[in-house]
Amino acid sequence: AQKITQTQPGMFVQEKEAVTLDCTYDTSDPSYGLFWYKQPSSGEMIFLIYQGSYDQQNATEGRYSLNFQKARKSANLVISASQLGDSAMYFCAMREFNTGNQFYFGTGTSLTVIP
Amino acid sequence: NAGVTQTPKFQVLKTGQSMTLQCAQDMNHNSMYWYRQDPGMGLRLIYYSASEGTTDKGEVPNGYNVSRLNKREFSLRLESAAPSQTSVYFCASSERGQGIERSNQPQHFGDGTRLSIL
Repeated sequence: AQKITQTQPGMFVQEKEAVTLDCTYDTSDPSYGLFWYKQPSSGEMIFLIYQGSYDQQNATEGRYSLNFQKARKSANLVISASQLGDSAMYFCAMREFNTGNQFYFGTGTSLTVIP
Repeated sequence: NAGVTQTPKFQVLKTGQSMTLQCAQDMNHNSMYWYRQDPGMGLRLIYYSASEGTTDKGEVPNGYNVSRLNKREFSLRLESAAPSQTSVYFCASSERGQGIERSNQPQHFGDGTRLSIL
C-alpha cells in the first residue's frame, strides 16, 4: 500500500486566489511527521512546512498552511494568495518516528498559477 | 553555508560504464539518503544511511551500491550503468529522527545530478 497518496497530478489556480493540494497518508505508527516540499522548474527541493502527529494546531508558515485531519489521515497544503512564483511541483512526505530514518514521498502535484 | 553538495550536476554515460555520484553535507547530520526521481513517480529511495557506518536498502536498490565514507560523505555507485538508470538523482541529509525532540527535522536536498545513460 502507498504510504503517501497525492491524487491531483496537476492543478491550476488564478493569481491571488487560494489553492489546496491534497495529501493522504497511511501509517500505523502513532508518532509521525508530515512534510511538504516545493520543486520549481529549476529542480531543487525546498522544504515548506511540517506537521507533527501530536500537534494540536494546524501548522502555518507565511502563506502556507497545513489542513491536518488526523482521523481522515489527510494533510492538505493550502497556499493563500497564490503568486506566479508558486508554479512548481509539490510533494508531500511522511516520516515515521519509530523507524525514524526513512521518508516516504508522494508522486507530486504540479501547480500552475495563471496570471 | 553550502548545505548538501552533489557532484557532478550532469553526466552522460554509455551502457556498461561505471561511475560514482558524490554527496557531502556540512550540517553535521547523522542520516543521509539517495533518491532517484523519474517523471510521474515522485522520489524513490535507493539507499540510506541512518548513521556513520550503517547503510540500508530502500525501495529501488538494484544496480546501485553506496558508501558512507564518513559522517559528511555518502556516495552512490553505478557498477554497470543501464538505460533504465537514466534519472535525476538527489542526495539528502537529515538529523536523525528518534524521539519527539528530533522528529520535526526535514530533509535537506542537494541540487541533483542529471544522469543519462545511452
